[in-house]
Formats: sequence, structure tokens, C-alpha cells
Amino acid sequence: EAGVVQSPRYKIIEKKQPVAFWCNPISGHNTLYWYLQNLGQGPELLIRYENEEAVDDSQLPKDRFSAERLKGVDSTLKIQPAELGDSAVYLCASSLETGTGYEAFFGQGTRLTVV
Amino acid sequence: AQSVTQLDSHVSVSEGTPVLLRCNYSSSYSPSLFWYVQHPNKGLQLLLKYTSAATLVKGINGFEAEFKKSETSFHLTKPSAHMSDAAEYFCVVSEGNTPLVFGKGTRLSVIA
Repeated sequence: EAGVVQSPRYKIIEKKQPVAFWCNPISGHNTLYWYLQNLGQGPELLIRYENEEAVDDSQLPKDRFSAERLKGVDSTLKIQPAELGDSAVYLCASSLETGTGYEAFFGQGTRLTVV
Repeated sequence: AQSVTQLDSHVSVSEGTPVLLRCNYSSSYSPSLFWYVQHPNKGLQLLLKYTSAATLVKGINGFEAEFKKSETSFHLTKPSAHMSDAAEYFCVVSEGNTPLVFGKGTRLSVIA
């Protein structure tokens, strides 16, 4: 069974440019997460979807970040415009459900460098 | 809100010696606890999880962890370290219908 697939793996952009990341979760997983991981830190939640509904997006900087999960499957995360401080690894994860005992399965991440 | 504290940012052991990575948690309810491992340029992989069943949990690659409610701890151990265990380890907590909350990580170095 395929795992969580993210693309691109690496992205280098100039500040003020837009960028988008794509995630394909494990088939049948209702919950999808986007996490941000800064260098030397643990992942921090940006947004969580239950099917196509964003149920937890309090940590998403909505002035420049947006996300969508059309048809409750694939998801995209967009930054416009990007800032130098957005350089980090963006992780996508999925789980069958949210709740006790449901672990998340992670993709390999997209490493963003803003110059 | 739930949280975890990983007590060591870096642990260094010799190959063949025991590994101990420490984690304390804070939770208002009965938590689920996880350990994930992240090798360089690789995705996060689940090592083991605790979900209110047996307090001693066995995971992959010889790792295990013990849930101690009285100490609010969930330390990760392995009897004998291997070079391939060198990685970043994250203790993670979740309660109820909430997403995973990660600790800051512990970098494990294994010396030949």
C-alpha cells in the first residue's frame, strides 16, 4: 500500500513569490494534517481536515497561508507571498480517524527554502 | 491542553549499550502516547504507541516504552543500541479528538 505522497520534495523560491505543496494521503484515511517543522524542532500543526472540512486551523497564518482538500482526498497548501521565515519542512500526514489510538502516517515532507 | 516535554535534546551512547530517551507528558484526560523516529531526509515513522491497554508497549526495532501515570512519563528504551538507531526521536501526545502534539525531539547519537 502506498504511503502518504508529497510533492515537490524540495523547493527554492525568492521571497514574495507564491508556492504550493501537494499531498496525497493514504487511501481511505479521513483525516489529513499539515504540519510545519522548523530546523531542530518538533512538527507543529498548521491545519487538520476531517474529510473536506477544516476542523482545526487556528495555527494557520491566514493572511498568507491557505489550504484546501477537494473531495476529501488530495490537499494543497499554498503560501502567498512567501517570506524568509517560511523556510522549513512542510509535512503532510493522514490517519483513519482522529481520536484515541489513531496514529498518523507521514509523508517525506517538502523542504522549502525562501531566499 | 496536552503537551509533552522531552527532557534531553541530545543523547549519546556507545554501540551495544542501553538507550534511554525521557519524556514527560501533561494531559487532562486519558492520553494516547506515541514515539516517532525521524532519520535524516526521511519521513517520520511510528515506533510504538500506548492507548490505555498494557502499560509496557513494545515497538519496532527492539524499542519499548512504559506508561507510568503516577510519574506522567513515557520513556523510550532499548537494551542495546545499534548504529542504525542514530536519528531524531519525538514523543507525541493526543487526547480525545485532538491532533498529535509533538515534543521538541531528542537527537540520539550512537558511537562505534
